[in-house]
Amino acid sequence: EVQLVASGGGLVQPGGSLRLSCAASGFTFSTYSMNWVRQAPGKGLEWILFITSSGNSILDAASVRGRFTISRDNARNSLYLQMNSLRAEDTAMYYCASGDFYGGGTYSLHDVFGIWGHGTMVTVSS
Amino acid sequence: DIQMTQSPSAMSASVGDRVTITCRASQDISSYLIWLQQKPGKVPKRLIYGTSSVQSGVPSRFSGSGSGTEFTLTISSLQPEDFATYYCLQHSSYPRTFGQGTKVEIK
Repeated sequence: EVQLVASGGGLVQPGGSLRLSCAASGFTFSTYSMNWVRQAPGKGLEWILFITSSGNSILDAASVRGRFTISRDNARNSLYLQMNSLRAEDTAMYYCASGDFYGGGTYSLHDVFGIWGHGTMVTVSS
Repeated sequence: DIQMTQSPSAMSASVGDRVTITCRASQDISSYLIWLQQKPGKVPKRLIYGTSSVQSGVPSRFSGSGSGTEFTLTISSLQPEDFATYYCLQHSSYPRTFGQGTKVEIK
């Protein structure tokens, strides 16, 4: 079964740090770029970070620039989100989601945002 | 950044109704448009990709159309399980941007 399982959320004080993980199974994780998307309570979806399949290139949203970092470990089939200098407005459900596929000389957008993790909640509050 | 504007933001409809949701991009995004469905407390689910390709397992009553800056999600005959919030998402350029969502409620 194709699956993404996010973990690591919790309650953290303003200014604190947290590291989220997203474990992939059922597909060749190393051939997919990945994204982090978040959703504040009662609000819409916001894309925040992207990483290529190799991890060589990263793109971020202005709202998290300089505070959040995305990384991956293809050997462990895992994606990470390091969050520093957390603010109250970072309170949200955080989802990992698949990006484009690049493997064996083939490029495909077939699964772009087609696979989503179940999300992990981050609450920033004193 | 590309702005994605959905309309309406909310609507009431009855089972069996034909429902149309529109998404307008602030600049040309070709066909790089995805539609997602989200039910309360649940993970977003992709319904349509590439503007008009229906995700495997998604009922055929869902369809997508458009190109450039104007896109439409149509539900041909609304079913009870379709009451949810729908989002469009452009993946033509970064930052990726979502529409604000359309909440479809029971009339």
